[in-house]
Amino acid sequence: QLQLQESGPGLVKPSETLSLTCIVSGGSISSNNYFWGWIRQPPGKGLEWIGTFFYIGSPYYNPSLKSRVTISVDTSKNQFSLKLTSATAADTAVYYCARLDGLAVAGLPSYYFDYWGQGTLVTVSS
Amino acid sequence: SYELTQPPSVSVSPGQTASITCSGDKLENQYTCWYQQKPGQSPILVIYQDTKRPSGIPERFSGSNSGNTATLTISGTQTMDEADYYCQAWDSSTVVFGGGTKLTVL
Repeated sequence: QLQLQESGPGLVKPSETLSLTCIVSGGSISSNNYFWGWIRQPPGKGLEWIGTFFYIGSPYYNPSLKSRVTISVDTSKNQFSLKLTSATAADTAVYYCARLDGLAVAGLPSYYFDYWGQGTLVTVSS
Repeated sequence: SYELTQPPSVSVSPGQTASITCSGDKLENQYTCWYQQKPGQSPILVIYQDTKRPSGIPERFSGSNSGNTATLTISGTQTMDEADYYCQAWDSSTVVFGGGTKLTVL
């Protein structure tokens, strides 16, 4: 059974870099069949996509966060990471890592997150 | 950028049918999926590729997509279905979520 587990500091100071890691077990992030990604959810608000990657090639980022986000992958450890620079209180959220499954059906893309981590709350505060 | 719009809240009586809509420009040209999220829990995929149910999701959950609107339908709604529901699509290599709908069963 595939499992994803987020880890990282629960408290980040404003202007510093928020860093999280997602450890994947029960499956390989080097699989040719899946993308992987990060999603966040501010307290009491909806889901916001941060970025998605395939284990080779460049990641795709939310345009609203692109200037501050970096997603990297360590296939040897079967994990991937998120870095968000210049953190502000608006970045306070539960951060999820997830697997993105899907394919093109009749020429149209069908992609969905089928496995999620439990999420980790990151608070940006001095 | 592409946007998906959901009603903030929907109410339904137990045993009745709940319908949650998700609107976007020419949405029928995108495949849509739906997630259920209960308080303090991670989202769970309940519908993908507009109409398909993952293993383990009850048959009372169904989906459709036509024109500019995708719809999640819950037939014979149970109190355990009370949750937030999010639609999601993939557009130009980006993931787009709807704002979410709080389903109240009362």
